[in-house]
Amino acid sequence: AQSVTQLDSQVPVFEEAPVELRCNYSSSVSVYLFWYVQYPNQGLQLLLKYLSGSTLVKGINGFEAEFNKSQTSFHLRKPSVHISDTAEYFCAVSPRGNDMRFGAGTRLTVKP
Amino acid sequence: KAGVTQTPRYLIKTRGQQVTLSCSPISGHRSVSWYQQTPGQGLQFLFEYFSETQRNKGNFPGRFSGRQFSNSRSEMNVSTLELGDSALYLCASSSLGGMGGYNEQFFGPGTRLTVL
Repeated sequence: AQSVTQLDSQVPVFEEAPVELRCNYSSSVSVYLFWYVQYPNQGLQLLLKYLSGSTLVKGINGFEAEFNKSQTSFHLRKPSVHISDTAEYFCAVSPRGNDMRFGAGTRLTVKP
Repeated sequence: KAGVTQTPRYLIKTRGQQVTLSCSPISGHRSVSWYQQTPGQGLQFLFEYFSETQRNKGNFPGRFSGRQFSNSRSEMNVSTLELGDSALYLCASSSLGGMGGYNEQFFGPGTRLTVL
């Protein structure tokens, strides 16, 4: 079984500041790791994914994440956020990519 | 290419009724997964269909069922609706459903079901 814990339910940050959204996972099998973003009244959009290889993964909109196997973490970072980054962010794991187990979500609010 | 489409987008039902939601995957995609999103439970995996067969199932009661047609379109059905079934139901499709490696899953906009 797999599970995901997003350590912060809400993260307020000022525009142009850096941000880190934290995600820990547990799994008894090898899994893929994902970050998704959800804007109001919309579905989920894939930000980035870790399948294998380099532990630093770059995604869309300037986001990146680092896979840390020893700490079972997959934290999402952005060096400078914009107002438009305000959204809900979900960390997820899956053995194959089609049966995601999601965290509870982190609401990122970027303030001017 | 058109994205994943879900119909209807909004639905209001009363307790005890049943409901059927529809998902049309991206053309050529054979795998369809369903998820339920609620404020209390978050995003939860319901089930996945591949080539008309249910391949994986989450931890939901038997009131939740689904099927997939030969054109890969999928429907999910909820019988005997309860207030707690009010949720956003998301559908996602991928090309080969993870066979031979990772295939990206693309999400539809969801169907918002309200049970009164």
